[in-house]
Amino acid sequence: EVQLVQSGAEVKKPGESLRISCQGSGYSFTNHWITWVRQRPGKGLEWMGAIDPSDSQTNYGPSFQGHVTISSDKSVNTAYLQWSSLKASDTAMYYCARGSGSPGGYWGQGTLVTVSP
Amino acid sequence: QSVLTQSPSASGTPGQRVTISCSGSSSNIGSNSVNWYQQLPGTAPKLLMYSNSQRPSGVPDRFSGSKSGTSVSLAISGLQSEDEADYYCAAWDDSLHGVVFGGGTKLTVL
Repeated sequence: EVQLVQSGAEVKKPGESLRISCQGSGYSFTNHWITWVRQRPGKGLEWMGAIDPSDSQTNYGPSFQGHVTISSDKSVNTAYLQWSSLKASDTAMYYCARGSGSPGGYWGQGTLVTVSP
Repeated sequence: QSVLTQSPSASGTPGQRVTISCSGSSSNIGSNSVNWYQQLPGTAPKLLMYSNSQRPSGVPDRFSGSKSGTSVSLAISGLQSEDEADYYCAAWDDSLHGVVFGGGTKLTVL
C-alpha cells in the first residue's frame, strides 16, 4: 500500500527554523516526484514546489522560491520542507503529495505549522 | 488571487446535478490537462479527476469532467450529502513553470 506519512504538528516562534518531513512507503521512492502544497487557515491550496528524489532536482513556485527549501534523502525514503526563519504568515497546513505536475492520488495527512510569538 | 478562476460557492439539493467550473488561460488549461480534488472538512485533498475527465479507481461515476478550450467543468449527478466539500482544479502553467490551483468551490448540499 502506497503511503506518505508526514511528521507531527509544530508550534514555533517567529525567526525560528523548522524542517518537516514526508516519508514514502509501499512504492519505489525514487520513481516519483514529491510535491509540497500549502493551505493557510480557511484558504485554498497553493503549490509550493516539488523534488525528484532520484537526483534531488527541485522546482519551486514563484511565491516560494527563496523562502523555503525542499530536499530529500532517498536512503530513508523521505522528503523535507524547511524554513530558516519562520514568519507568522507561514502558519498553515502543509501537505506532501506524489507527482511532478499536479499532485496525484497519494497525499500525506498534513502537518500543521503554527508560528506565534 | 488564484491563476485559475472558480466560483466560490455552489449548491444543490439531494439528487440534483451540479456543475463546477474552472477557467484559465492558454498557458495552463489551454495547453495542459487538469486535475480535480475534493477536500472534505478537516481532511487532506483527494484526487477526484485526472487528465480532465479520468476518474481514479474508487471515484463514483456520478462524477464527470470535461474540457473546452481554456475552461474545464466538474459535474456531479445524483448529488448526495457526502458530496458536501471544497473542490479545487489544478493544472501545470507553462509560463509560471509550476502548478496553479483554482481558488476552490465550496459545495453545499441543501
